[in-house]
Amino acid sequence: EIVLTQSPGTLSLSPGEIATLSCRASQSVSSSYLAWYQQKPGQAPRLLIYGASSRATGIPDRFSGSGSGTDFTLTISRLEPEDFAVYYCQQYGSARITFGQGTRLDLK
Amino acid sequence: EVQLLESGGGLVQPGGSLRLSCAASGFTFASYALSWVRQAPGRGPEWVSGITGSGASTYYADSVKGRFTISRDNSKNTLYLQMSSLRAEDTAVYYCAKDIPSPELRFNFDYWGQGTLVTVSS
Repeated sequence: EIVLTQSPGTLSLSPGEIATLSCRASQSVSSSYLAWYQQKPGQAPRLLIYGASSRATGIPDRFSGSGSGTDFTLTISRLEPEDFAVYYCQQYGSARITFGQGTRLDLK
Repeated sequence: EVQLLESGGGLVQPGGSLRLSCAASGFTFASYALSWVRQAPGRGPEWVSGITGSGASTYYADSVKGRFTISRDNSKNTLYLQMSSLRAEDTAVYYCAKDIPSPELRFNFDYWGQGTLVTVSS
């Protein structure tokens, strides 16, 4: 099973700043199957990025994804107040699907 | 508009059984793989099980293999999860989730239901 480790655990930033979230895999992940989600309290996760770098429908262009192999990054430029939430990476490989433990993005 | 509506959650004793349902609308149901994803209180999401659009192939997390069974009725646009031999560690909100449009199975989820809470406790 591929383990996804996200860092940092918590990131404290202010609106207008840039957020850089990391997701590291225990073994190589196909970029086609790497996704990022945002989750707010009491809500289901929301797909932001799939295929490592493709934005899902309706996702603002301040969200971008990059990376390959074992290292992937979610970047949020120009943080808006509604962006403060928990973010998860997720991968699919060999009929096994795993999520990272999450990065909490807090308002500073 | 895509909608996924889970039902069937509740309180069950350890060792008991429960069947979850997910009624879908707003998309061509039989064309998409679906999954169940659960989230224990204060924890991250955990994928539980998935099924292809036709229902021909099913997939399970090791933690539930042999205890849970996923199925779908494409004539009713409904996804199911039959859970048996339930344990305290199965306590979670259970979501059904739809795979993204793709010619291949991706298990990246573009739509989620609101979830149904399963509590396993005596």
